[in-house]
Amino acid sequence: GAVVSQHPSWVICKSGTSVKIECRSLDFQATTMFWYRQFPKQSLMLMATSNEGSKATYEQGVEKDKFLINHASLTLSTLTVTSAHPEDSSFYICSARQGAPDTGELFFGEGSRLTVL
Amino acid sequence: GQNIDQPTEMTATEGAIVQINCTYQTSGFNGLFWYQQHAGEAPTFLSYNVLDGLEEKGRFSSFLSRSKGYSYLLLKELQMKDSASYLCAVTDSNYQLIWGAGTKLIIKP
Repeated sequence: GAVVSQHPSWVICKSGTSVKIECRSLDFQATTMFWYRQFPKQSLMLMATSNEGSKATYEQGVEKDKFLINHASLTLSTLTVTSAHPEDSSFYICSARQGAPDTGELFFGEGSRLTVL
Repeated sequence: GQNIDQPTEMTATEGAIVQINCTYQTSGFNGLFWYQQHAGEAPTFLSYNVLDGLEEKGRFSSFLSRSKGYSYLLLKELQMKDSASYLCAVTDSNYQLIWGAGTKLIIKP
C-alpha cells in the first residue's frame, strides 16, 4: 500500500516556541491531505483539510493563525504550531488520499506527539 | 447532525470471535471504513465497504447495510495483538470523513 511518512515522531518544546510537523506521501501524489489531533482515549478530531496549491480548509473551532498548514507540493504538507502552549500538547496525525475522493482509503502517517513544557 | 455510534469498550477471550457494531446517521453516504489503532500509534486501514454485504479479509470481515445505517467488524480467532481501538468512519455526501469515537477491544487469555 501507499506510504505516508510523518516527522518528527516526538517533539518537546518550550512554551512560546513554534513547531513544524511534516507529512510526506512517499510513493504517490496526494492532492488532499488531512490533519488530525487526538487527545488521550479519544477519537481523531479533524483539524483541517489541505489541498495542494490552495489554502487549507479549517474545521470550526480550529485557529488558523495558530495552526498554520502549508501544502506546497503534491507530496508534502506541513503543520506549524505557532507560539505553542502546554494545552497544545497532543498527538497530531496526518493522512493523505490517493486519487479522487471516491477512490477509497486514507493512508496515515505515523503521528507526531507534541509535548509543550 | 451527523453521528456515528459504536460501543466504548468490549472484552473478548483469545481464540474467540467478536463483533463490533457501528451505526451511523450522516448526510449522504459514500463508504464506510474500519481502522485499527494501537495505543500511541496512528490508525491502520482494515476495510472499506461501499456496497451492502460482507467483505472478508483473512481473520477480519466487515459487513454493511446501507438501508439500516449499520456496519459491523467481525474478528475471528482473536489474538492478544488484536487488543486495540477500532474506529468506524463514514464518508458523507461531501466526501467528508466522519469518525466514530472508537471501540476499545480488550483481549483476555
